[in-house]
Amino acid sequence: VQLVESGGGLVQPGGSLRLSCAASGFTFSTYGFSWVRQAPGKGLEWVSGISGSVINTYYPDSVKGRFTISRDNAKNTLFLQMSSLRADDTAVYFCAKSNGPNLRYFDSWGQGTLVTVSS
Amino acid sequence: DFQMTQSPSSLSASVGDRVSITCRTSQNIRGYLNWYQQKPGKAPKVLIYGASTLQTGVPSRFSGSGSGTEFTLTISGLQPEDFATYYCQQSSSTPLTFGQGTRLEIK
Repeated sequence: VQLVESGGGLVQPGGSLRLSCAASGFTFSTYGFSWVRQAPGKGLEWVSGISGSVINTYYPDSVKGRFTISRDNAKNTLFLQMSSLRADDTAVYFCAKSNGPNLRYFDSWGQGTLVTVSS
Repeated sequence: DFQMTQSPSSLSASVGDRVSITCRTSQNIRGYLNWYQQKPGKAPKVLIYGASTLQTGVPSRFSGSGSGTEFTLTISGLQPEDFATYYCQQSSSTPLTFGQGTRLEIK
């Protein structure tokens, strides 16, 4: 199992960014995935999830309406579209695979990609 | 949302010690509680899922217990590689939530 995130970088407040997570080594379409972020020196925060079989998406209030999670099963890739970014969105963003189609525990993680929101 | 409270927030211990970390939730999550270990600059790694099931490949010195609103991660016989930060996470309901973390340091 391998998860490789990309797309992080420096963005101005109010800007947008799209993160990608390329997956390999398993049947991508049958698993749920989440994005989990970690601000510098802080703990883990779940910011979105997408189920495997029936495509449902989930968000906490902190990002609802600003972040959109999606997946391309043909390309084994997970995405996170982020808009109206704020300074407090600055964090390392991890892609995390669930153990099944639903969002339960995360059995594999990517290495993370850093998003910095600053002018 | 289900609030998660971990205690202690930090802990000093010696190699060979037995330590326990507690996670309390604001609502009954039955057994939907998971534990992760994170080392600096690395992604988290799952240790325990479903409150008490050891993830494949995780040493048996790690164990989990509890149900409902109170859960415990125990490490029996600390090894040098166990000094890290530990997080609990509830998977009973979205939004999924994590505890604030427990930093385990060498005494």
